[in-house]
Amino acid sequence: AQTVTQSQPEMSVQEAETVTLSCTYDTSESDYYLFWYKQPPSRQMILVIRQEAYKQQNATENRFSVNFQKAAKSFSLKISDSQLGDAAMYFCAYRSAYGTYKYIFGTGTRLKVLA
Amino acid sequence: DADVTQTPRNRITKTGKRIMLECSQTKGHDRMYWYRQDPGLGLRLIYYSFDVKDINKGEISDGYSVSRQAQAKFSLSLESAIPNQTALYFCATSGLATGELFFGEGSRLTVL
Repeated sequence: AQTVTQSQPEMSVQEAETVTLSCTYDTSESDYYLFWYKQPPSRQMILVIRQEAYKQQNATENRFSVNFQKAAKSFSLKISDSQLGDAAMYFCAYRSAYGTYKYIFGTGTRLKVLA
Repeated sequence: DADVTQTPRNRITKTGKRIMLECSQTKGHDRMYWYRQDPGLGLRLIYYSFDVKDINKGEISDGYSVSRQAQAKFSLSLESAIPNQTALYFCATSGLATGELFFGEGSRLTVL
């Protein structure tokens, strides 16, 4: 069975600085999707970025980028120029590209942004 | 209007009561999911459905049941609520195109 691990329960970053959130996963499959979701205090789940495993190029969305290391099964999220609005819970998630289409989530990392 | 709508947004109930959480979506997706969020545990899958006739248990289905009334509607029931079912519940949908999960706004349930 696939698993997703986020080993950092909480992280802090100074406003305007850069922070990296870690995520590792375990799977025997070769094709899958990886996601980072943001959950602000409003509790809404917001997609930050997605990565398709067959694509070697790391996904980027404005200040958010990932470091996808398929062989190491690592999928870290880098937030550049951190803003107060980035403070939230961040969840890493995995989904197979075929089969049951179940989404497996990590336990989350709470990011605090210091003014 | 939200693409995925959950009702109620917040609910307080007593042990032993039956409660239903409802979810409707306008995205036209076949796949619908119910997740439970607890602090330190992330989101855990309760049930998922790929169409009206296809219902599947997730990793924590005990104590819960679901009904897929139509492609757009997927409800979660707690037949006899207990305090450790106090949690934030999310309904979500997905389509094949992007693989992305689209979430409702969550239903916070408190069982006293």
